[in-house]
Amino acid sequence: GAVVSQHPSWVICKSGTSVKIECRSLDFQATTMFWYRQFPKQSLMLMATSNEGSKATYEQGVEKDKFLINHASLTLSTLTVTSAHPEDSSFYICSAPDSLGNTIYFGEGSWLTVV
Amino acid sequence: QKEVEQDPGPLSVPEGAIVSLNCTYSNSAFQYFMWYRQYSRKGPELLMYTYSSGNKEDGRFTAQVDKSSKYISLFIRDSQPSDSATYLCAMSPSGGYNKLIFGAGTRLAVHP
Repeated sequence: GAVVSQHPSWVICKSGTSVKIECRSLDFQATTMFWYRQFPKQSLMLMATSNEGSKATYEQGVEKDKFLINHASLTLSTLTVTSAHPEDSSFYICSAPDSLGNTIYFGEGSWLTVV
Repeated sequence: QKEVEQDPGPLSVPEGAIVSLNCTYSNSAFQYFMWYRQYSRKGPELLMYTYSSGNKEDGRFTAQVDKSSKYISLFIRDSQPSDSATYLCAMSPSGGYNKLIFGAGTRLAVHP
């Protein structure tokens, strides 16, 4: 089946710094990828839709200048959390639809802790 | 009212039991229905997906969609302790290229 890979799996950074999370589709091309955020014991919250070759579409309430998304190629999307603060600490997950567009596969997720 | 309703549980069953997980929804435009399993501190893992109404079986898992009732189910036969996880239903009006609408997730615990 399709595989989506995220890196890093976990990261700790200092408050005020920026952190980049990569999402790769390993055996298929993805013109669209989705970025989610998940707080403990809660469901996934869609942050933005990443589109290859164009600007990302952000959900209401998500700061596009804080969460920079770049879909550089058909297999790579990146999420950069800029000027990170402790309240940005969370589980970030990316996903991509399969080549037929029938369903969506998720990455393993990235744990961000801002200290 | 949320677009997708799912009882968060927790649901606790003995090993070997048949587990029934359910979601209801309000948007009649939903055509694609998915079930994901999520272990603690991991990304969701796709279990099943179905298009429109009907049943689909894969090993110990059976997914059912009843569009007339706006109701979907996931059955797990011969449940195992390794099935202990959170199960998320998700749906979309037009497949994977559009964002999924998730249920809250049901926490399942299968005890030996």
